Amino acid sequence: DAGVIQSPRHEVTEMGQEVTLRCKPISGHNSLFWYRQTMMRGLELLIYFNNNVPIDDSGMPEDRFSAKMPNASFSTLKIQPSEPRDSAVYFCASSLIAGGDNEQFFGPGTRLTVL
Amino acid sequence: AQSVSQHNHHVILSEAASLELGCNYSYGGTVNLFWYVQYPGQHLQLLLKYFSGDPLVKGIKGFEAEFIKSKFSFNLRKPSVQWSDTAEYFCAANDYKLSFGAGTTVTVRA
Repeated sequence: DAGVIQSPRHEVTEMGQEVTLRCKPISGHNSLFWYRQTMMRGLELLIYFNNNVPIDDSGMPEDRFSAKMPNASFSTLKIQPSEPRDSAVYFCASSLIAGGDNEQFFGPGTRLTVL
Repeated sequence: AQSVSQHNHHVILSEAASLELGCNYSYGGTVNLFWYVQYPGQHLQLLLKYFSGDPLVKGIKGFEAEFIKSKFSFNLRKPSVQWSDTAEYFCAANDYKLSFGAGTTVTVRA
């Protein structure tokens, strides 16, 4: 298995532009997670899905952020409009199910820079 | 949800020194605990996990961690570090979602 796949690996954009990050979880995994990592705030859970349904989006910072999972093999995290403070590394992770002793497998991350 | 605290922000040590990283979690019920490692420029990888049984857990690359329920702790140890252990280490606890500590940067000097 190729593991969790994220694209793009790097994204540089200007303030006000729309940014879409993509994730393909490991086949057979039913839970998908989006995290944001910054120096100031560390690793934060933004949202997670079980069986394509958003379960907890309490970590989404504001309405500019939205996430979708239209099917079991694809998810997007969209920021519209983007702001410089959104600059961070965004990780996607997947697991068989959420919770318990289930390991989360992380993708390589998307490094977002908003100018 | 869990709250996880890691005691050290940055640890610097020489090769062959012993390493111990502290981790405490907040929830007193059933909890699943993890240590992840993030090598420079790479994604997070699982080092080890605890969910039940022997409180001394052995992971990859010579790492181990001890679960002490009475202290709400899950400290990570390695008896002799190598330069390649330079990385950021994250403790995490899972009840219904995974909560991460702030991370500890470990720098091993050759």
